[in-house]
Amino acid sequence: NAGVTQTPKFRVLKTGQSMTLLCAQDMNHEYMYWYRQDPGMGLRLIHYSVGEGTTAKGEVPDGYNVSRLKKQNFLLGLESAAPSQTSVYFCASMGESDTQYFGPGTRLTVL
Amino acid sequence: GEDVEQSLFLSVREGDSSVINCTYTDSSSTYLYWYKQEPGAGLQLLTYIFSNMDMKQDQRLTVLLNKKDKHLSLRIADTQTGDSAIYFCAEMTKTSYDKVIFGPGTSLSVIP
Repeated sequence: NAGVTQTPKFRVLKTGQSMTLLCAQDMNHEYMYWYRQDPGMGLRLIHYSVGEGTTAKGEVPDGYNVSRLKKQNFLLGLESAAPSQTSVYFCASMGESDTQYFGPGTRLTVL
Repeated sequence: GEDVEQSLFLSVREGDSSVINCTYTDSSSTYLYWYKQEPGAGLQLLTYIFSNMDMKQDQRLTVLLNKKDKHLSLRIADTQTGDSAIYFCAEMTKTSYDKVIFGPGTSLSVIP
């Protein structure tokens, strides 16, 4: 039981490049979330999903897209990366216990 | 709207008790959580409390909830250097039952 995993762990992009972050969970959780963490700002919700095939916007969705084609995976895409998207990205999932389980994070730098 | 606030820094001596405070604005909270984040790692759930409880104790951790003042605290007894981390307060509310709102985090430094 790996819990919540994220790939990659680190990535450096140039402005305008695109990339996809992958989150996977093996706990059969319905809910999945993408957050970004910036110094002094806590975690801000980007997008979330309440089940396979569904997605919804969070607090800071602009510049990001997501997909939940399979229950266990939640993908976060950046179509045209900007320096303002330099951050640490965390994925989380939640099941019937109403508690969130977090992945280890992806550190993204956009030059 | 929904807002969770915490002081950003706390410093205590090893062996003393630490008290980390949090205030929230949404009175329809269902769950309130405390998460711990060690350097370079993800968030780890420490403990949580249902909104109909006033207190929860788990080994060295004591959570107190004052619903009237919308105030949540986490007390760590006999604080150790391994407790140095960022502690996040978070709430789940009925108005956003499937989302968790996080505070900015309190960075706890334990002085040997």
